[in-house]
Amino acid sequence: KNEVEQSPQNLTAQEGEFITINCSYSVGISALHWLQQHPGGGIVSLFMLSSGKKKHGRLIATINIQEKHSSLHITASHPRDSAVYICAVDPYGGSQGNLIFGKGTKLSVKP
Amino acid sequence: DTGVSQNPRHKITKRGQNVTFRCDPISEHNRLYWYRQTLGQGPEFLTYFQNEAQLEKSRLLSDRFSAERPKGSFSTLEIQRTEQGDSAMYLCASSLPKAAGQPQETQYFGPGTRLLVL
Repeated sequence: KNEVEQSPQNLTAQEGEFITINCSYSVGISALHWLQQHPGGGIVSLFMLSSGKKKHGRLIATINIQEKHSSLHITASHPRDSAVYICAVDPYGGSQGNLIFGKGTKLSVKP
Repeated sequence: DTGVSQNPRHKITKRGQNVTFRCDPISEHNRLYWYRQTLGQGPEFLTYFQNEAQLEKSRLLSDRFSAERPKGSFSTLEIQRTEQGDSAMYLCASSLPKAAGQPQETQYFGPGTRLLVL
């Protein structure tokens, strides 16, 4: 069993829909990251959070440390949001460089 | 463009050949990370440097793999005697140092080097 599980693996939405991607993890963490990977490989860091909620534009990330669960929400989705969204955790007490990544959620937003 | 560059962007090689990839991090970042990503999977940690010191290596980094960061700036990842299973995207990332008691700093990823071993 992977230490970081994401759901769904694939998601197709119509433009304008509200989207939720979930991430569950099984280890204690000091932080959780949401990353966006576009076709071609480039990865962009969206959020790093250790508690509560963060918002940036149409993106909202929440985390529940007790339940070991985080969600990434996209409001008013747009075709340019199409990408793979990856959850990664920084294990508490672990190596300072060793993030553990989920497999990613492939999002496709249709016009 | 995050400011982290990788070269080459693509590499096709025959099994048994050696390949070397380069990563240039953001200039003020003293931490540099290498990851490998295979199709349909998330990235997997390979190794990381703080300045020129290689502080951790994953068990994924077999003895055919070696990474260096000689002057604490750019880094190279070499794979000797490549195998078909080495085909993957090799990602580099950099960050500022982790402050005591703080979670890891945000990592900035390069575009990756896609390796295909025939």
